[in-house]
Amino acid sequence: QITLKESGPSLVKPTQTLTLTCTFSGFSLTTSGVGVGWIRQPPGKALEWVALIYWDDDRRYSPALKNRLSIIKDTSKNQVVLIMTNMDPLDTATYFCAHRLTEYRGYVRWGQGALVTVSS
Amino acid sequence: SFELTQPPSVSVSPGQTATITCSGDQLQYKYVCWYQQKPGQSPVMVIYEDTKRPSGIPERFSGSISGNGNTAFLTISGTQAVDEADYYCQAWDSNTEVFGPGTKVTVL
Repeated sequence: QITLKESGPSLVKPTQTLTLTCTFSGFSLTTSGVGVGWIRQPPGKALEWVALIYWDDDRRYSPALKNRLSIIKDTSKNQVVLIMTNMDPLDTATYFCAHRLTEYRGYVRWGQGALVTVSS
Repeated sequence: SFELTQPPSVSVSPGQTATITCSGDQLQYKYVCWYQQKPGQSPVMVIYEDTKRPSGIPERFSGSISGNGNTAFLTISGTQAVDEADYYCQAWDSNTEVFGPGTKVTVL
């Protein structure tokens, strides 16, 4: 059974750096075709793709956010970390991590999401 | 930049067919996925690679692509009250992923 869970601060101040961790089980990020992505959703608004890392360490970032993002995997801990710098109130959102399979070309399983509020 | 367009809302009577559109340039070459999201829950994939259903998704959900290749369709046949949710399309373009703005399906 595949599960993913997001963890990190629920509140950050403007200009601070956000670090979110996705801890997963039921699959390995060393298996060909596997990826873990981050998608966010501001309250009451649509999904927005943020970043993706593949089994081979290939990394993809949203063009709108790429200058502020880093995505890292730790296969020994079954974790993927998202780092977002210079946080702004507009970054307030629920952040989901999700399991991606190349053969599906999309996100097959999602975590429960973590709400991050940016406020002073 | 690549964008996907969806109608904000679709209304359907129980037992009838709901059709949601997702439009984007040359969508036929980008493999569309569809997700269902109910209030307070995480999204669930209901269609991948334009037309395929993941395991566990009811047969009443189906996907297709228009003849001109610029519009993808999610069809819910025999719509049930439990299908009331937001639906998002998603596609891959130029090494990034894009989600549509979402369509709220209301079962009246």
